[in-house]
Amino acid sequence: QQPVQSPQAVILREGEDAVINCSSSKALYSVHWYRQKHGEAPVFLMILLKGGEQKGHDKISASFNEKKQQSSLYLTASQLSYSGTYFCGSGDSGYALNFGKGTSLLVTP
Amino acid sequence: DAGVIQSPRHEVTEMGQEVTLRCKPISGHNSLFWYRQTMMRGLELLIYFNNNVPIDDSGMPEDRFSAKMPNASFSTLKIQPSEPRDSAVYFCASSSAPRDNEQFFGPGTRLTVL
Repeated sequence: QQPVQSPQAVILREGEDAVINCSSSKALYSVHWYRQKHGEAPVFLMILLKGGEQKGHDKISASFNEKKQQSSLYLTASQLSYSGTYFCGSGDSGYALNFGKGTSLLVTP
Repeated sequence: DAGVIQSPRHEVTEMGQEVTLRCKPISGHNSLFWYRQTMMRGLELLIYFNNNVPIDDSGMPEDRFSAKMPNASFSTLKIQPSEPRDSAVYFCASSSAPRDNEQFFGPGTRLTVL
């Protein structure tokens, strides 16, 4: 079942922060985050495997609340290069990932 | 090391024709995934293989779609007959393990069915 992402789209000025949320109606084993630039393939950002786990990559970090069946992606001091569509993928007890419909992020100068 | 290779990059065909999309995963990866991306439905998993064996094809929309992985370095996704609603970008991805590992996506095949 497809996780739900919010917001659907966000526009930021360079240097501003943003939060993208991902929630599932099913229990989550893991949460994966990918970013896709226009006309390109999705690129892996990070995986969160445990409830409560938090990870960071440069100024992009994420948290995973297993009980609430949700994850959030935090973009701090956004850069122009952060523009793209962000997807969360929910992993259940099986192998496959179900991706949300994505959040379109545009960072302007 | 080359990434995931897909061919063709673009395919334009007429309704009713057979379409075959090809994928070469990263050497050493034993999991392969086929996705379809459209504006309406987002990124959908169609089928995935582990060690060349189809594990879950529940995402394959209809019998018109079929996928094979005859060996560890090659997979095909076939649509026969194709319909305009099949127009989408089809991605192939591979991973070194089926679960909880980074998936490496190929560049995609943009399919247009007229």
